[in-house]
Amino acid sequence: DQQVKQNSPSLSVQEGRISILNCDYTNSMFDYFLWYKKYPAEGPTFLISISSIKDKNEDGRFTVFLNKSAKHLSLHIVPSQPGDSAVYFCAASGAGGTSYGKLTFGQGTILTVHP
Amino acid sequence: GAGVSQTPSNKVTEKGKYVELRCDPISGHTALYWYRQSLGQGPEFLIYFQGTGAADDSGLPNDRFFAVRPEGSVSTLKIQRTERGDSAVYLCASSLTPSGRETQYFGPGTRLLVL
Repeated sequence: DQQVKQNSPSLSVQEGRISILNCDYTNSMFDYFLWYKKYPAEGPTFLISISSIKDKNEDGRFTVFLNKSAKHLSLHIVPSQPGDSAVYFCAASGAGGTSYGKLTFGQGTILTVHP
Repeated sequence: GAGVSQTPSNKVTEKGKYVELRCDPISGHTALYWYRQSLGQGPEFLIYFQGTGAADDSGLPNDRFFAVRPEGSVSTLKIQRTERGDSAVYLCASSLTPSGRETQYFGPGTRLLVL
């Protein structure tokens, strides 16, 4: 049962354009969402997060949008740069119970930004 | 300060053997997590520690897997009677507290190959 899904395995964009990565979730107990970025042979690194009480969070070139009613979030990168090429993981955490503290990840989207 | 470190970086073993994977978290981080990442998938939660105790071990696949953190710092993930299906990257992460809102900092992972 995949509770967090990233349905696009890969995305290719031109340098300077916008990259939009999408993520869907099914568990309504999730109330905090994160995006991690991963380069080959390295561990994931935190990029940006959003609480369920918000619908948007922005940090420089990165913006995360949350649509709770649709159980959907997206990461926008603008402008995209070749150094952004990596695997992007969406992750979610819950408010309590056994979900407390643990992250549930999507399958990842490989982003390639062409110069 | 140093980030999360994991040893060994690569481990090749034969089916049926016992392996230990080590994680050194960031100094002062009370929460420590183990995840497993199979090829083409996102990290999958295994277990997390708050201090010395396992707060949630619901992700451990079976009783061949065990993890300890005896002094509340370094953790060891132990796999008995390894199977080919155990081949994956084992990721360790730490955070200041176990809140799902705290950033989890990941190590580079241990790549386990069971022949």
